[in-house]
Amino acid sequence: GAVVSQHPSRVICKSGTSVKIECRSLDFQATTMFWYRQFPKQSLMLMATSNEGSKATYEQGVEKDKFLINHASLTLSTLTVTSAHPEDSSFYICSAGRGGGTGQYFGPGTRLTVT
Amino acid sequence: RKEVEQDPGPFNVPEGATVAFNCTYSNSASQSFFWYRQDCRKEPKLLMSVYSSGNEDGRFTAQLNRASQYISLLIRDSKLSDSATYLCVVNPSRDDKIIFGKGTRLHILP
Repeated sequence: GAVVSQHPSRVICKSGTSVKIECRSLDFQATTMFWYRQFPKQSLMLMATSNEGSKATYEQGVEKDKFLINHASLTLSTLTVTSAHPEDSSFYICSAGRGGGTGQYFGPGTRLTVT
Repeated sequence: RKEVEQDPGPFNVPEGATVAFNCTYSNSASQSFFWYRQDCRKEPKLLMSVYSSGNEDGRFTAQLNRASQYISLLIRDSKLSDSATYLCVVNPSRDDKIIFGKGTRLHILP
């Protein structure tokens, strides 16, 4: 299957700081990538759709000024959590698809803890 | 009706048994269907796509019934390593955006 990497895998930061998470498709080009968040014992929640070369599309209730998404190339999307607070602590996962409804491949996730 | 609905479980099943999961979806125009597996504190991994003709991969069999808007996954001869959450996933259009069910937790008991 396709390989999607994510970095860092784990980050601990202080309240008020910003954290950048990178998502890369390693063996295919992805015009669209997706960012999800998952709280313990809950299902994945789509945060936003990242489109190469254009603005991201955010799901209802997700603050675009807080979760900055940049999709600078066909293989890289970044999510920056700005002014992080303890309630932003979660498991953030990106995914990418090859297109044509063939499913998505997920990165290994980033566990963010804000103290 | 929820877009993708699954029985949350948990299903506690003895090793070696057969277990079946069901899933229903609300959008009759949905294009593609998948089963993903998610282990605790890990990312979801694609288990198999689901086709109208049904498909099998080793101990796993997936079925799609478009008329009833229903998807199933059958696991035969279950192993301890099958313990995970199984996510029913639907692609409602030809782009890559997908809709997840909340998942069904499976515990295989020794």
